[in-house]
Amino acid sequence: QVQLQESGPGLVKPSETLSLSCAVSGYSISSGNYWGWIRQPPGKGLEWIGSIFHSGSTYYNPSLKSRVTISVDTSKNQFSLKLSSVTAADTAVYYCARISGPFDSWGQGTLVTVSS
Amino acid sequence: EIVLTQSPGTLSLSPGERATLSCRASQSVSSSYLAWYQQKPGQAPRLLIYGASSRATGIPDRFSGSGSGTDFTLTISRLEPEDFAVYCCQQYGSSPRTFGQGTKVEIK
Repeated sequence: QVQLQESGPGLVKPSETLSLSCAVSGYSISSGNYWGWIRQPPGKGLEWIGSIFHSGSTYYNPSLKSRVTISVDTSKNQFSLKLSSVTAADTAVYYCARISGPFDSWGQGTLVTVSS
Repeated sequence: EIVLTQSPGTLSLSPGERATLSCRASQSVSSSYLAWYQQKPGQAPRLLIYGASSRATGIPDRFSGSGSGTDFTLTISRLEPEDFAVYCCQQYGSSPRTFGQGTKVEIK
């Protein structure tokens, strides 16, 4: 059974870069599927950030595209998110997920707070 | 971008009752690529329904999905205590992937 686990700093300063990783176990990233990042500001709805294939091809939400980079490391069976120039509006729980069309498996999520 | 609007915002029902949740899209959802998720406080969303009407692995048959085009429905035939949660629809037929704002099903 696939499991995903997010990791990274819980506090990021404004204007800096948010960096998170998602470790995948029980399933090889190289086996296929896209892998994605989704976020949820406190008390609000879900927002898709972007997705990546094991080959490295990516596609991003246009609303965040200028600030987002998603990468994959198949040797470590993990993928990563970088979001630059963060503001308080980027404070959210960040989830990673496996994509089989819908998001069929999710990590538990990690809260990232943007504050000085 | 496809905007998904869910109604009602909150549904107050008793255990054993039937819940009907609506998700309306601003434009047609390609190939019925519409999913429903359940989210409980402090937890990640869980996939319930994909392809508008197919249940995900391990999902009880009291959950059913229907609809096509721009109008979709999630039905919970008889609410169990563990079903009180927030339900969210999502389209994956076009980019960007988008989510509805959610319907909270609460105990009356």
